Amino acid sequence: NAGVTQTPKFRVLKTGQSMTLLCAQDMNHEYMYWYRQDPGMGLRLIHYSVGEGTTAKGEVPDGYNVSRLKKQNFLLGLESAAPSQTSVYFCASSPTGYGHEQYFGPGTRLTVT
Amino acid sequence: DQQVKQNSPSLSVQEGRISILNCDYTNSMFDYFLWYKKYPAEGPTFLISISSIKDKNEDGRFTVFLNKSAKHLSLHIVPSQPGDSAVYFCAAPGNQFYFGTGTSLTVIP
Repeated sequence: NAGVTQTPKFRVLKTGQSMTLLCAQDMNHEYMYWYRQDPGMGLRLIHYSVGEGTTAKGEVPDGYNVSRLKKQNFLLGLESAAPSQTSVYFCASSPTGYGHEQYFGPGTRLTVT
Repeated sequence: DQQVKQNSPSLSVQEGRISILNCDYTNSMFDYFLWYKKYPAEGPTFLISISSIKDKNEDGRFTVFLNKSAKHLSLHIVPSQPGDSAVYFCAAPGNQFYFGTGTSLTVIP
């Protein structure tokens, strides 16, 4: 039981390049989330999903897109990376959205130059 | 607008003493709160939670206190151990999940 895994662990992009971050969970959780963590800002929700085929915007969705084609996977895309997207990205999942703790992946450190 | 706030970015405590981490919130509709612990280069892990029907919840060395009238919660760690050195986040679920900015705890041996 791997829990929540994220691919890749590290990435360096040039401004304007695109990439996709992959999150996978093997706990059969309905809800999945993408956060970014920046110094002094805590964890901020980018997008989330309440089930396969659904997505919704969080607090800071601009510049990102997501897809949840399979229940176990949640993809975060950056179409045209900007230096402001340099951050550590965390994926999380939970059985339901309310009253349940979230289980986090190990994070992806992204640098945009 | 920060709905969950942790006003102390860092805290240092001697091993064996009590660590007290504080968290304030602005939304009176929040009725469930969680604390997460995060080590460097790892994702946050759930530590302890509290429902608003309680004012205290204990789990071993960790106790969370909730003061609804003050919109304030605190995490007590007694006794503190060097392995407790980490960043602690408080969080509250609403229409989405709100996290505080974190407090970095250092327990000095």
